[in-house]
Amino acid sequence: KAGVTQTPRYLIKTRGQQVTLSCSPISGHRSVSWYQQTPGQGLQFLFEYFSETQRNKGNFPGRFSGRQFSNSRSEMNVSTLELGDSALYLCASSLDRPYEQYFGPGTRLTVT
Amino acid sequence: AQSVTQPDIHITVSEGASLELRCNYSYGATPYLFWYVQSPGQGLQLLLKYFSGDTLVQGIKGFEAEFKRSQSSFNLRKPSVHWSDAAEYFCAVGEGGGNKLTFGTGTQLKVEL
Repeated sequence: KAGVTQTPRYLIKTRGQQVTLSCSPISGHRSVSWYQQTPGQGLQFLFEYFSETQRNKGNFPGRFSGRQFSNSRSEMNVSTLELGDSALYLCASSLDRPYEQYFGPGTRLTVT
Repeated sequence: AQSVTQPDIHITVSEGASLELRCNYSYGATPYLFWYVQSPGQGLQLLLKYFSGDTLVQGIKGFEAEFKRSQSSFNLRKPSVHWSDAAEYFCAVGEGGGNKLTFGTGTQLKVEL
């Protein structure tokens, strides 16, 4: 069974732009969660989607948003990028809760 | 709010030696606990999980962890470390039904040959 895939793997954007990251979960998994990983703040939960509905949300500003499609694929969007948004963005999928989450390889976003 | 503490930022062990990585959590209800490993430039790989039941859980790659409610701990152990175990290890507690993970700051493991 294929793992969690994330596209693109690397991205360079300019401050003020917006960006969309994509995540395809493991087949059959309906829950998708997003995390941000930075050297300073570590791993932080952004949000979780299940059956196209946001089920959990972390403490991030409204510039960070997401959505999930009927095939469980998910996207996250960051608007008005700031230098501090440079990070590794990880997507994880699970069957439902509480089940273990499986992580993708991440998208490395650099904001210049 | 829940929190996870990994007191050791860096640990160095010799290949073949035993390993114990410490993890303490703060969570009001019965915790869902996880250990993940991350190699440079990679995502997180699940080593093992604890939801309920037997407090000693076995994982992949020869790792095990013991849940001790009285000490709020979930320490990861391996009897004999291999050079390929060098990586960063994260302990996490799940809330929101288990899928909202709070991670510790990680322990960087170095293995000396």
